Amino acid sequence: NAGVTQTPKFQVLKTGQSMTLQCAQDMNHNSMYWYRQDPGMGLRLIYYSASEGTTDKGEVPNGYNVSRLNKREFSLRLESAAPSQTSVYFCASRTRTGIETQYFGPGTRLLVL
Amino acid sequence: EDQVTQSPEALRLQEGESSSLNCSYTVSGLRGLFWYRQDPGKGPEFLFTLYSAGEEKEKERLKATLTKKESFLHITAPKPEDSATYLCAVSSGNTPLVFGKGTRLSVIA
Repeated sequence: NAGVTQTPKFQVLKTGQSMTLQCAQDMNHNSMYWYRQDPGMGLRLIYYSASEGTTDKGEVPNGYNVSRLNKREFSLRLESAAPSQTSVYFCASRTRTGIETQYFGPGTRLLVL
Repeated sequence: EDQVTQSPEALRLQEGESSSLNCSYTVSGLRGLFWYRQDPGKGPEFLFTLYSAGEEKEKERLKATLTKKESFLHITAPKPEDSATYLCAVSSGNTPLVFGKGTRLSVIA
């Protein structure tokens, strides 16, 4: 089991460029999440998908869109990147929203110039 | 609204000097409290889940405890390899986990 995988590991963008962060899990989990982590701010939820076919906004959704492509894959898109979106992005998954353990991917480090 | 507060923000210990990290929470119906370890440049790694007050879990030099208002992560005789950021999160109902900002632990040899 690879667990939760993310691509790319590192990306540099210019302001206004677009890109998609990819996430996949092989644990047959129903729920998937996207977080950003900034110094002093902790983990902040951007969007989540409680189950295949559904997506919901988290704490900081502005400037992002998501797609739950299938049960395994959940992508995060930046349509027009801004320097404020420079961050480390983590994808996570769990069996269902409740008591089950949530597992994280290794992260994508994004720098927007 | 569920909230998690971790203290201290940073902790510096000498090797072998035991201490505790605190996670205070307010939640409408706790279903689980989770502890994670995060090393620099990596994703959070799951450590423990606690479900009810009075429960304790242990792993090597770490022991997590839970009361109705807070959880403690006790570190006994820490080693430099225990240096990391420790995150606490709570789950209530069918909602995403709510995370604290973490405690950054440094263990000096």
